[in-house]
Amino acid sequence: SYELTQPPSVSVSPGQTARITCSGEQLPNQYAYWYQQKPGQAPLLVIYKDTERPSGITERISGSSSGTTVTLTISGVQAQDEADYYCQSQDTNATSSVFGGGTKLTVL
Amino acid sequence: EVQLVQSGAEVKKPGESLKISCKTSGYSFITYWIAWVRQKPGKGLEFMGIIYPGDSEARYSPSFQGQVTISVDKSITTAYLQWNSLKASDTAIYYCARRNTVNSIVHGFDPWGQGTLVTVSS
Repeated sequence: SYELTQPPSVSVSPGQTARITCSGEQLPNQYAYWYQQKPGQAPLLVIYKDTERPSGITERISGSSSGTTVTLTISGVQAQDEADYYCQSQDTNATSSVFGGGTKLTVL
Repeated sequence: EVQLVQSGAEVKKPGESLKISCKTSGYSFITYWIAWVRQKPGKGLEFMGIIYPGDSEARYSPSFQGQVTISVDKSITTAYLQWNSLKASDTAIYYCARRNTVNSIVHGFDPWGQGTLVTVSS
């Protein structure tokens, strides 16, 4: 079955830049989406179509894509950015979706 | 405002049946797919399946095929997730989410319901 691979954790100091990667063999052919989930809350879409930012999402969050890897970048990290981040995409024939295992972002 | 409001927490025994709901409002219910996502305690998100309310076509992740049933009631713009025989391993938070689509391009799962905690214990 199709899998998306994320690092389990990323740690950065306030003000630094955090980069979270997501790898999957279908990512050159299917868009990726990113979700932020804070404790006790439902996930929140923060990036769609690899690089687009929904209305209301801070400009400090951006997405990029290169081959089989997509990257979520958070610049000027703040304490409020501490959360779990999940990538998501679709399988080959776009009939089913898959989530990455999630990355816990810790602000030191 | 687009809203998805889920039914409340449930505590069930193994072998019991359950149907949880996701009431939608603020948009044309029949034109957007609705997905169900599982999150076990302390774990990540798992895609379970998706349904198109316009014709009730449902597609399931292989891991959940035959284990749950996804349905809708168009008259009350509500989606459902159903089990016939619960197991302790079904203990999790279940989220519904609208698959946002613009000009046939998927813009992600947005918004999400608040989640329904299902606890299965003897």
